[in-house]
Amino acid sequence: AQSVAQPEDQVNVAEGNPLTVKCTYSVSGNPYLFWYVQYPNRGLQFLLKYITGDNLVKGSYGFEAEFNKSQTSFHLKKPSALVSDSALYFCAVRVNTGFQKLVFGTGTRLLVSP
Amino acid sequence: DADVTQTPRNRITKTGKRIMLECSQTKGHDRMYWYRQDPGLGLRLIYYSFDVKDINKGEISDGYSVSRQAQAKFSLSLESAIPNQTALYFCATSDFPSTDTQYFGPGTRLTVL
Repeated sequence: AQSVAQPEDQVNVAEGNPLTVKCTYSVSGNPYLFWYVQYPNRGLQFLLKYITGDNLVKGSYGFEAEFNKSQTSFHLKKPSALVSDSALYFCAVRVNTGFQKLVFGTGTRLLVSP
Repeated sequence: DADVTQTPRNRITKTGKRIMLECSQTKGHDRMYWYRQDPGLGLRLIYYSFDVKDINKGEISDGYSVSRQAQAKFSLSLESAIPNQTALYFCATSDFPSTDTQYFGPGTRLTVL
């Protein structure tokens, strides 16, 4: 089955430090990968996606993600975390089974402390 | 995303009641989706619609029905609500095949007592 896994329920980081939120995927064929963020009482917001091309994808709010085919990973990164980055982050993969739908991971809560 | 709105934002109902959640979008997208979010389970797809005439079941459609009244409107109904349908419900649209990005509404928190 095509899926994504987010191995960490929560990531804690101090403001100003770099952050990484992990995601691994399992798909047949070329993966289309996405990161979404959910702030409290809000819907999910698109951050970035990888379709093809450069393995380092840059997105909104200073986030970037690195696609690694050999490790089947798509980790979300930011060089310097902000307290306002505290939110729930979801990795997703597009599944091409007749209908292109997104399959989401279980989410990782990022907590940035002052 | 303000272009995708959901009503109501919060709802408490009783077991056995019929309830409808509504979604409207001003993005002009053909594709619309309903998801539910449960803690530790991520988002799961309930129904999806390619356009007004094309509606399909997702992975957890039992106990739910939908209606696509227009390109801009996609409603989710619980015919007879049960407590395990207590969850956060999201509507989304997609600009597929343009960039294949999904745009989410703010969600409806539903509690079934």
